[in-house]
Amino acid sequence: GNSVTQMEGPVTLSEEAFLTINCTYTATGYPSLFWYVQYPGEGLQLLLKATKADDKGSNKGFEATYRKETTSFHLEKGSVQVSDSAVYFCALIQNPGANSKLTFGKGITLSVRP
Amino acid sequence: EPEVTQTPSHQVTQMGQEVILRCVPISNHLYFYWYRQILGQKVEFLVSFYNNEISEKSEIFDDQFSVERPDGSNFTLKIRSTKLEDSAMYFCASSATGATDTQYFGPGTRLTVL
Repeated sequence: GNSVTQMEGPVTLSEEAFLTINCTYTATGYPSLFWYVQYPGEGLQLLLKATKADDKGSNKGFEATYRKETTSFHLEKGSVQVSDSAVYFCALIQNPGANSKLTFGKGITLSVRP
Repeated sequence: EPEVTQTPSHQVTQMGQEVILRCVPISNHLYFYWYRQILGQKVEFLVSFYNNEISEKSEIFDDQFSVERPDGSNFTLKIRSTKLEDSAMYFCASSATGATDTQYFGPGTRLTVL
């Protein structure tokens, strides 16, 4: 079946540090890939997505590139801020077909200190 | 900005009791979902719902679970006889067109079964 694996956390960084959160997936066909973020006390919000190989999703300074050859979708940001402290989830939706359920990774907690 | 809302934010119940978790999806969305996250584990898909019927359900979604859209705005998840292992955060989500369209999540209901 489909699965998403995220690096173990938590991650603690100083403000303005470079961020990489690893995500790899297992799926048949050509999944669409997503990063969701959950700020304290809130629901999951879509951060970015990519629907085909070599696509780059970007939002709020975050980027992730769909790498089919390595089945990866690593999240990066050049300079993190305290406000980026949250839980980050990598996820996929199986393509093709009408099946639209999200398969999530375990999530990783990011803490950014001033 | 439209958002998905969920009530209550926290529900405590005794084992064997029935609970109903409520969600109000975004008003023009047609696809509805329930996910859950047991503490320390992955966010797991429970069920998807479209055109007043279940589109897909996971192995978790057994006969103890049911979903309903009782009116034009609410989407509910009922657990008929709760078990200790049902303790989790339950997330409702909705999307406009299904497939790989963005799913918008509510803030979740924390269910504690004693």
